[in-house]
Amino acid sequence: DAGITQSPRHKVTETGTPVTLRCHQTENHRYMYWYRQDPGHGLRLIHYSYGVKDTDKGEVSDGYSVSRSKTEDFLLTLESATSSQTSVYFCAISGGYSRGQETQYFGPGTRLLVL
Amino acid sequence: DAKTTQPNSMESNEEEPVHLPCNHSTISGTDYIHWYRQLPSQGPEYVIHGLTSNVNNRMASLAIAEDRKSSTLILHRATLRDAAVYYCILSVSDSNYQLIWGAGTKLIIKP
Repeated sequence: DAGITQSPRHKVTETGTPVTLRCHQTENHRYMYWYRQDPGHGLRLIHYSYGVKDTDKGEVSDGYSVSRSKTEDFLLTLESATSSQTSVYFCAISGGYSRGQETQYFGPGTRLLVL
Repeated sequence: DAKTTQPNSMESNEEEPVHLPCNHSTISGTDYIHWYRQLPSQGPEYVIHGLTSNVNNRMASLAIAEDRKSSTLILHRATLRDAAVYYCILSVSDSNYQLIWGAGTKLIIKP
């Protein structure tokens, strides 16, 4: 299994509070991704990073920000959580050497409930 | 919007082959076809990918139509551990190779 951990694994928070989710990898992979998954749906890309301090928006980036100050860590921040951000959040990594055909490896997910 | 179309669910008997279809009629020449699966309460895991030719690995086979507008994931001998949601995904070159996920097919394996 790829060395990817996510913390926390479960979180309950209240509307309007800031929340930060952490993804940590031990594979030294260049690319890191944050996805969200809602019931009955596939994954939707929030943000991704292609290197330290290099990030870009995905399909559903509104309300989220990210930071990557080290290769191994990618942080997802909800500046002011809303109930619509209740979801399961997955982090993924990939090497980035064969664009289009590389494998993404996923973490175990973080379940976030915003009350 | 998802660029692939899959049935919502399929059932198969244990130890029999399973053919999971996927339509991707708007695929372009440089888009790769990927399959991932997601077991209950876990993150997705890679199954297989291809561009034009059929592909085989230890988990499955991928059959790609000659016009590339459809593909089929083949599990040669399904087990109960293969019960999962299977996603057919395009890696789209004009979107910086982001994976565009649909809702997937829930595969139910009957003992």
